[in-house]
Amino acid sequence: AAGVIQSPRHLIKEKRETATLKCYPIPRHDTVYWYQQGPGQDPQFLISFYEKMQSDKGSIPDRFSAQQFSDYHSELNMSSLELGDSALYFCASSDSRQGASGELFFGEGSRLTVL
Amino acid sequence: AQSVTQLGSHVSVSEGALVLLRCNYSSSVPPYLFWYVQYPNQGLQLLLKYTSAATLVKGINGFEAEFKKSETSFHLTKPSAHMSDAAEYFCAVSYNQGGKLIFGQGTELSVKP
Repeated sequence: AAGVIQSPRHLIKEKRETATLKCYPIPRHDTVYWYQQGPGQDPQFLISFYEKMQSDKGSIPDRFSAQQFSDYHSELNMSSLELGDSALYFCASSDSRQGASGELFFGEGSRLTVL
Repeated sequence: AQSVTQLGSHVSVSEGALVLLRCNYSSSVPPYLFWYVQYPNQGLQLLLKYTSAATLVKGINGFEAEFKKSETSFHLTKPSAHMSDAAEYFCAVSYNQGGKLIFGQGTELSVKP
């Protein structure tokens, strides 16, 4: 079965550079979530989109922005990168018809290293 | 604030022994509760979820969890640990239609031969 696809899987950037992560949800899933997981930390919710509109916002820095496109894929844009942005970034998708009981399906993550 | 608390950041058991990973939630309304497993350098995989249909929930790989409202708990258990169960386990809660998950701090399970 198709899963959530994230790219790139690994990314190395210098401080103050920009980075873009992409997420392709499971077909027919209409909701996408972004999470950040620092070393040894639990995943922290950043932002979510439903039908291409932002549906919820968590602890996403102002330097970060995201959007969901007409084909439902999503991109997380990170600018003025800081050392503390080094983390594993997860994308998850779900079917909103399942409501809050629906399962979030996670991608394998994109590991960002800022030097 | 809505949250989950996992007691014990690291649990070590012997192969064949009982696994018990603890999770407590804070909520004034019935939540939806989940357990996810994360293997090294991999994404999060759903083990099981509680959605009010039954208080004892059976998941994959022999895991199960019991929702106890009186104790606001959703502990994860497995009767007999396997070496392959070594991983990080996260308890998570969802309250609203948005489906956003709030994760606990995680518990690293080690299994000794």
